[in-house]
Amino acid sequence: DAGITQSPRHKVTETGTPVTLRCHQTENHRYMYWYRQDPGHGLRLIHYSYGVKDTDKGEVSDGYSVSRSKTEDFLLTLESATSSQTSVYFCAIRTTGGGYGYTFGSGTRLTVV
Amino acid sequence: AQKITQTQPGMFVQEKEAVTLDCTYDTSDQSYGLFWYKQPSSGEMIFLIYQGSYDEQNATEGRYSLNFQKARKSANLVISASQLGDSAMYFCAMRELNYGGSQGNLIFGKGTKLSVKP
Repeated sequence: DAGITQSPRHKVTETGTPVTLRCHQTENHRYMYWYRQDPGHGLRLIHYSYGVKDTDKGEVSDGYSVSRSKTEDFLLTLESATSSQTSVYFCAIRTTGGGYGYTFGSGTRLTVV
Repeated sequence: AQKITQTQPGMFVQEKEAVTLDCTYDTSDQSYGLFWYKQPSSGEMIFLIYQGSYDEQNATEGRYSLNFQKARKSANLVISASQLGDSAMYFCAMRELNYGGSQGNLIFGKGTKLSVKP
């Protein structure tokens, strides 16, 4: 199975502070994604990457930026956290195999107070 | 634009009975894939089953089957012989399989919370 880890698992931060979430994969999968999950909304795509330094916006990208300087790491940054960004954040990678499979990280629960 | 609709926010089923979770989708693409994921209370996303738009047979994985009706654009998940451990959120998702601007991103529905009663 593809190894994918997210850090931190939980974070509480204050409004206006910058926050960076990390997604790390142990294999060289090209595609990586950041989603946020909120009650009543399912998972919504924030940003995605299709290679080193190649990223693009998803459905709910406002207030977020990403970087991918190495294949294995995909960083999500909230430049100035707001209460509306309180959410559970999932990283995912697209793996090969049947069904163009995806593997999800365990999620990061972020609370902005 | 792609869209996934799950109209059942919550459902109850008796243990050992079968249950169908509804999913309809909208896409203008001819080539796409449909997914179902399970999210238990622990929070992880667990892949259950996949159906390609050109697959003629409905997908099955153990107690899970996907009732794919292409003309109606529906991809319902059927769980046979429900177990208490099936209590979870279930998400339907779609990915367009062309390699255009969306880069084949997964689009999710809002989910259905299934509760299995003993």
